[in-house]
Amino acid sequence: GESVGLHLPTLSVQEGDNSIINCAYSNSASDYFIWYKQESGKGPQFIIDIRSNMDKRQGQRVTVLLNKTVKHLSLQIAATQPGDSAVYFCAERRGFQKLVFGTGTRLLVSP
Amino acid sequence: DAGVIQSPRHEVTEMGQEVTLRCKPISGHNSLFWYRQTMMRGLELLIYFNNNVPIDDSGMPEDRFSAKMPNASFSTLKIQPSEPRDSAVYFCASSFNAGNTEAFFGQGTRLTVV
Repeated sequence: GESVGLHLPTLSVQEGDNSIINCAYSNSASDYFIWYKQESGKGPQFIIDIRSNMDKRQGQRVTVLLNKTVKHLSLQIAATQPGDSAVYFCAERRGFQKLVFGTGTRLLVSP
Repeated sequence: DAGVIQSPRHEVTEMGQEVTLRCKPISGHNSLFWYRQTMMRGLELLIYFNNNVPIDDSGMPEDRFSAKMPNASFSTLKIQPSEPRDSAVYFCASSFNAGNTEAFFGQGTRLTVV
């Protein structure tokens, strides 16, 4: 029979647009959050992190926003490029070193 | 730095056979994680070690799975006997549990059990 897999939400943008990828986390005790990028055939790659005592952190072309009230995390990518096409995961740290990943969002960037 | 090194990159085995996946963490890292990635379940944490000691193995699916870390530079994940539903990509990751603690991932081992 047909297998049912995870349906990854997909965000399609044009090159040069700004992208916003969202993530809801479940554990209010999580104190550290990371965004990872995974390209086809590769392992997840660290993009940016944020601690629970912050609500915003900026990197090069990327910004992470944390809203602890609603347990929501977002990743903003400025001037999105075709090389940004990948699956993006948020991860939360629960307890000692335990990183739990979300289901991921596929970003498709067309030229 | 060579990063986290996993071997083999691909493994095809018959049902019932023993499979051993290997991982060399980044030198100086003292936490090591094994994850499994499938279309059905996404990225799941199987087990993690701190200073070579297993801290949480609650994600290990069943007794057929076992993991060891005999020293700071080597870990194995063993499946015995393997089953077709074990087919997945298995990732190893390592981190240094002080200050910034992002985990660095290896390239993964794609396991196919036929």
